[in-house]
Amino acid sequence: QVQLVQSGAEVKKPGASMKVSCQASGYTFTDYYIHWVRQAPGQGLKWMGWINPKSGATDSPQKFQGRVTMTRDTSISAAYMELSTLTSDDTAVYYCARSSVRFGELQQFDFWGQGTLVAVSS
Amino acid sequence: SYVLTQPPSVSVAPGKTAGITCEGNNIGTQSVHWYQQKPGQAPVLVVYDDSDRPSGIPERFSGSNSGITATLTISRVEAGDEADYFCQVWDESSDHVVFGGGTRLTVL
Repeated sequence: QVQLVQSGAEVKKPGASMKVSCQASGYTFTDYYIHWVRQAPGQGLKWMGWINPKSGATDSPQKFQGRVTMTRDTSISAAYMELSTLTSDDTAVYYCARSSVRFGELQQFDFWGQGTLVAVSS
Repeated sequence: SYVLTQPPSVSVAPGKTAGITCEGNNIGTQSVHWYQQKPGQAPVLVVYDDSDRPSGIPERFSGSNSGITATLTISRVEAGDEADYFCQVWDESSDHVVFGGGTRLTVL
């Protein structure tokens, strides 16, 4: 069965960086995009970007450009999201999710990781 | 950037029908997906491509999309349907994913 298993919770200092992993299993890793979505406490879902595991290409909204780095290791079917220069506003649960692409259009997020809580505090 | 607007909350009595709306400019021309999120859990896809259901999702969950409004309809609401619901589209102009702000469904 399809599974996305994320790394454990972290506590970070302001100004530090964080890196969350997403281990995929149960499907061909390079056939689906991996997306990163975050949710601040009590807030909604915010899309942070995607990575195409086949090519390594990435894209993210302007809000995160320059601070977010998405990578993958196809040999172990894992994706990573690194966020730099953390502030308290980055305290959130971070999710990975997969989607297919059909005729150049990103499709629905059909499987999600369990989430990783990252707390930024001095 | 593209904006999706959802009501913050919807309340419904058990056994009744709940409708959760998602408004966006010409949203009827896009594919809308809906996610259910219960406290402390990851979101779960309940409707995709406006009105299709993933396997395992009850037929009580349905969707429609036309004009500027997409709607998630939950029939014969149960206590277990109490959750936050988010709509989502892919914005072709920016090639970016957009989520609505979310609607908390309360079962009275």
